[in-house]
Order: sequence, then C-alpha cells, then structure tokens
Amino acid sequence: TQLLEQSPQFLSIQEGENLTVYCNSSSVFSSLQWYRQEPGEGPVLLVTVVTGGEVKKLKRLTFQFGDARKDSSLHITAAQPGDTGLYLCAGQSTNAGKSTFGDGTTLTVKP
Amino acid sequence: DAGVTQSPTHLIKTRGQQVTLRCSPKSGHDTVSWYQQALGQGPQFIFQYYEEEERQRGNFPDRFSGHQFPNYSSELNVNALLLGDSALYLCASSPDRNNYGYTFGSGTRLTVV
Repeated sequence: TQLLEQSPQFLSIQEGENLTVYCNSSSVFSSLQWYRQEPGEGPVLLVTVVTGGEVKKLKRLTFQFGDARKDSSLHITAAQPGDTGLYLCAGQSTNAGKSTFGDGTTLTVKP
Repeated sequence: DAGVTQSPTHLIKTRGQQVTLRCSPKSGHDTVSWYQQALGQGPQFIFQYYEEEERQRGNFPDRFSGHQFPNYSSELNVNALLLGDSALYLCASSPDRNNYGYTFGSGTRLTVV
C-alpha cells in the first residue's frame, strides 16, 4: 500500500512569513501533484512534478521533487491570507493510474 | 469552458437507503475517477472509469458501484448506506494516459443519518 505522509498537519503563521510543507513516502512515484483545497470545494491543481530533482516555481510558491521521486516539498515565500487552505500532495505510480493522496497540511495565514 | 460538474451539491439520506451521485467531466476529458473525502482527511480513491468500464478500484466494498456513459459522464451509486459513508464525494476528470493530475468538481456532501 502506498502512503503519503504530509507534515506538519497544521500550520498557523503571520502574513509575510515563509514556510515549507513536506510530503514523504517510501514509494517511488512517476509523478506527484500538489493541490490546494478550500472548505466546501474540490482540490485545485497547483503543479505537477515528474523528474527527480525537479524544481518548479509558481509566483511565491516553489515546489521540489526529491531526487529519488519519493518525496516533495512546497515552499511559500511571504505568505498572504489568500494562501490559507488545505494543501494536498498526491502521487501517481503509472500513467492514468489512480492518485494516492496525503491527508494534507492545513495552512492559516493571519493578517 | 465548464469544468467538472457534480450534482447534487448536498444530500441527506437515512441509513439503509441508496444514493446516486452524478458527474459531468471537463470538456475533452474521457476518464473519470471518484474519491471519498472524510472530514480532516485526504481524498480516498474509490474507482476510475474509462471507455465505460471500471479500470481501477480502490479498497471500497461492493456497495459502491459506478457507471460511465458514452458521453463520458458518470454516476456513483452507494447501496445500504452506513453512517460512515458520510463524506464529501469528489469526481475528478482527466485525459486518458494522463500523468499530470486531475480536474476536480466541487463535490457532493453526503450526510447519512
């Protein structure tokens, strides 16, 4: 069974601070996605990483895929209240295969 | 361009009843996956449909069944509802052989009383 562990589970910070959240597994994934989910809504895809060691930037968000394709991190610079939400990572092992999700990191950014 | 559409948005059912949830995928997507998300947890994979067939199935009992229609839309059926089936049910669509993530609908909030 493939498991994705996300840490921390909860994170509360002040506006303007930097933060990093982590997604770890003992399994190798062919691709890994990060999603953001707001209450009462479905997850929204932020990024997909597919190559070991890959780094992708999306404005103030930086995503990294581990060299062994087992782990990933999401770094947010100068967090804003609009970044508040549940951040989920999900791994796919094969093309068109199911995505396995972690339980997420709930981020609260206070003004 | 409409994304993934799910109906209904909310539903209250009694234990033992049956429920049908519906999903229309994003235009151009032919693969539909269903997920169950309990409060405080990540989505759990139920099953995936492609070409009107169940292609993959997660660790869910046979009470959970589905269907995909020729227009790629899909239904999720749950029989003999239990209190533990209360959750947000998410439909996700993608192009086939896709390794780049899903487009999710807003979900159906099912409450079993």
